[in-house]
Amino acid sequence: QKEVEQNSGPLSVPEGAIASLNCTYSDRGSQSFFWYRQYSGKSPELIMFIYSNGDKEDGRFTAQLNKASQYVSLLIRDSQPSDSATYLCALQMVDSSYKLIFGSGTRLLVRP
Amino acid sequence: GAVVSQHPSRVICKSGTSVKIECRSLDFQATTMFWYRQFPKQSLMLMATSNEGSKATYEQGVEKDKFLINHASLTLSTLTVTSAHPEDSSFYICSARGGGFSTEAFFGQGTRLTVV
Repeated sequence: QKEVEQNSGPLSVPEGAIASLNCTYSDRGSQSFFWYRQYSGKSPELIMFIYSNGDKEDGRFTAQLNKASQYVSLLIRDSQPSDSATYLCALQMVDSSYKLIFGSGTRLLVRP
Repeated sequence: GAVVSQHPSRVICKSGTSVKIECRSLDFQATTMFWYRQFPKQSLMLMATSNEGSKATYEQGVEKDKFLINHASLTLSTLTVTSAHPEDSSFYICSARGGGFSTEAFFGQGTRLTVV
């Protein structure tokens, strides 16, 4: 079983709508989770990270973490065509390496 | 955010030759650097983790003699693909972090390697 799972999509939403991206993970104890956005041919750029249960908001983005259910989600409000990209969920290992294990990514398409 | 510079951004090499990719943290000391490989339409696969002054830790299935990693200073790590073959053609990305739990890792721009 993969450690981090995402639906590959594409998820298609109209401009101005809320896009909801989900990620599930294998239980490895206390962890941090990162959401990255990756445009085609470019390297990932960090959107936000979360390590406590609940919601964390940053502008149009809200990350939600539920450790009991082992999922983390990213909500994008007022979606824009420029948000069209692949969104990668990553789990940070709790060992001394702090390495990130990435999901396969969800492709988001925001229709004008 | 912090800046990680990766060079070259694109490289084309002949089969059997070696290619070196550099990853530099420009405004912070990177205690740990990570090297990823990404094939088209796939996610980032971690190849190895390197700490300054130590030997890199390679992920299962990654040939350490083929992918040489050097992390000689707190601001520079290099990945050398030795005796490259067409199947090594991929997008190679480095990331660097300063240390501590929940500290974000900053990514370089990536290197598109094409072996012909």
